[in-house]
Amino acid sequence: NAGVIQTPRHKVTGKGQEATLWCEPISGHSAVFWYRQTIVQGLEFLTYFRNQAPIDDSGMPKERFSAQMPNQSHSTLKIQSTQPQDSAVYLCASSPRLGSQDTQYFGPGTRLLVL
Amino acid sequence: AQKVTQTQTSISVMEKTTVTMDCVYETQDSSYFLFWYKQTASGEIVFLIRQDSYKKENATVGHYSLNFQKPKSSIGLIITATQIEDSAVYFCAMREGSGGYKVVFGSGTRLLVSP
Repeated sequence: NAGVIQTPRHKVTGKGQEATLWCEPISGHSAVFWYRQTIVQGLEFLTYFRNQAPIDDSGMPKERFSAQMPNQSHSTLKIQSTQPQDSAVYLCASSPRLGSQDTQYFGPGTRLLVL
Repeated sequence: AQKVTQTQTSISVMEKTTVTMDCVYETQDSSYFLFWYKQTASGEIVFLIRQDSYKKENATVGHYSLNFQKPKSSIGLIITATQIEDSAVYFCAMREGSGGYKVVFGSGTRLLVSP
């Protein structure tokens, strides 16, 4: 079991450029979560999917951020027109099922730096 | 709105001692779920232990146990016989029963275990 895979591990973009972050959940897991971690804000929930369907995106910034899960093997987080304040570690987590056993397994994160 | 607060920024202990990390939470829900996660120096986030609000018994997993004080909205993490490798940042988190599967994290407590 390879665990949750996130690519790239590091990404540097210029202000105004687009960044796409990829997440491959653990095979067979039905839920995928995205978080953002910064020193100032800590670990912030962004969005989650259940069986590929978007369920709650209440943590997503209203502009420039979008997430998709086109199939059960990967999810993407896209940030358009990146800004320096988007610099953070973006974490993906997957859960085998939602219910009494909804433990989340985290990926290593993608460290995004916007210059 | 749900909120999780960890007031201890950092704790230093000697190896083989017992340490308690504090966490208080706010929720309007009568049903909720509390979690502790550990983030190692490499950035890896690992689930440790959970407590469901309807359970009166404190959860225990290995050398981790919880001190659940529902009237005080408090869920402390107790680590007994600490080891050097327990040095990490510990996050308290909560999911409300009516809030889907969105998880809100506290700001974390850094634990340093010295020989």
